Amino acid sequence: EAQVTQNPRYLITVTGKKLTVTCSQNMNHEYMSWYRQDPGLGLRQIYYSMNVEVTDKGDVPEGYKVSRKEKRNFPLILESPSPNQTSLYFCASSFTGTATEAFFGQGTRLTVV
Amino acid sequence: AQSVTQPDIHITVSEGASLELRCNYSYGATPYLFWYVQSPGQGLQLLLKYFSGDTLVQGIKGFEAEFKRSQSSFNLRKPSVHWSDAAEYFCAVGAYGSARQLTFGSGTQLTVLP
Repeated sequence: EAQVTQNPRYLITVTGKKLTVTCSQNMNHEYMSWYRQDPGLGLRQIYYSMNVEVTDKGDVPEGYKVSRKEKRNFPLILESPSPNQTSLYFCASSFTGTATEAFFGQGTRLTVV
Repeated sequence: AQSVTQPDIHITVSEGASLELRCNYSYGATPYLFWYVQSPGQGLQLLLKYFSGDTLVQGIKGFEAEFKRSQSSFNLRKPSVHWSDAAEYFCAVGAYGSARQLTFGSGTQLTVLP
């Protein structure tokens, strides 16, 4: 089954404690991205990757890091989480090129206290 | 840069009634337009998309959308709403050749009354 898998689905952490949210896709997509969803703001892109070892900033990259060492995986790293990073996070993947259908993971709800 | 406006934050309709969700976009060239649906606790699922050609696009679950260039709109419609359609709906625009891919609107929450 074609899917994008995120883990964990729910996470509560404390300010400053490094964390990683994993994302994996099995569709051989070149393009992967991370979004955060906040009430009234829709989805905003954090980082994206057009292929292995190629990443770039989206609209709201501050406080986040990513890496793309393998085509299928695109982890999101919060090295020192803060309460304003409490949000619902989505990973998405698609084929590159003209805007094509993006496939989304089920989301990770992160709470930073 | 492209942008998307969904003017209705929340819409309530009765089951069986018709539905129209509004979406306005801003983009300098011909846009790629999408509607996604997010059910509670779920990721986003593509309902339909417009790239070119016929301006009336059919999607899954009985939804359709019409691209109107003169109004910069891509409104989503359904003739008869079912209780299972209760969800949040997002309009998105993509730019040809852009590495940034999708820009989303702020979403419209749909409530369906029995």
